[in-house]
Amino acid sequence: AQKVTQAQTEISVVEKEDVTLDCVYETRDTTYYLFWYKQPPSGELVFLIRRNSFDEQNEISGRYSWNFQKSTSSFNFTITASQVVDSAVYFCALSEVGDDKIIFGKGTRLHILP
Amino acid sequence: DAGVIQSPRHEVTEMGQEVTLRCKPISGHNSLFWYRQTMMRGLELLIYFNNNVPIDDSGMPEDRFSAKMPNASFSTLKIQPSEPRDSAVYFCASSRDRGSTGELFFGEGSRLTVL
Repeated sequence: AQKVTQAQTEISVVEKEDVTLDCVYETRDTTYYLFWYKQPPSGELVFLIRRNSFDEQNEISGRYSWNFQKSTSSFNFTITASQVVDSAVYFCALSEVGDDKIIFGKGTRLHILP
Repeated sequence: DAGVIQSPRHEVTEMGQEVTLRCKPISGHNSLFWYRQTMMRGLELLIYFNNNVPIDDSGMPEDRFSAKMPNASFSTLKIQPSEPRDSAVYFCASSRDRGSTGELFFGEGSRLTVL
């Protein structure tokens, strides 16, 4: 069965610090997708990234970067030089190809303090 | 283009009343999902449709919940009768591709409070 674990319930850091959000997943399939979504205070979830299980290259997008390691079943998300606008709940999610369902972790609430 | 539109944004009702939540997906999207978000359980998938057909409703809590998608541009989630434990934010999301491969576009959610 699919499962996504985000062990960090809540994190607070001071602005400009780097912060890493952890995500560990479980799946029996060899082909799957991993996602990160952001939920700002306004409430609407916003897609950040999708990776497929065959692509372990790390990805960088501005201050955001993602580290995918199949050996540890992890897909961690790092924000470099955090800003107050990064304050949100971040969700990691998993989907097995052909299953359609996207299963979300419980989220990590990130507070960036000015 | 308009995003996913949900209504109502907020609903307060009394236990036992019927509640209907509505969703208009993004035009051209083939998949539609209903999620429920609570502090205790996080985001739970209730049901999803592909090309207006319910594919998996295993996440629907019980018979009090039902969902329909009569056409490609409209879906409803109904709770009858409602109970206080149904209080949550209900999200509708749509996807151009089948859910497992595509990006989900979420609506702003419907916050339901059952007294």
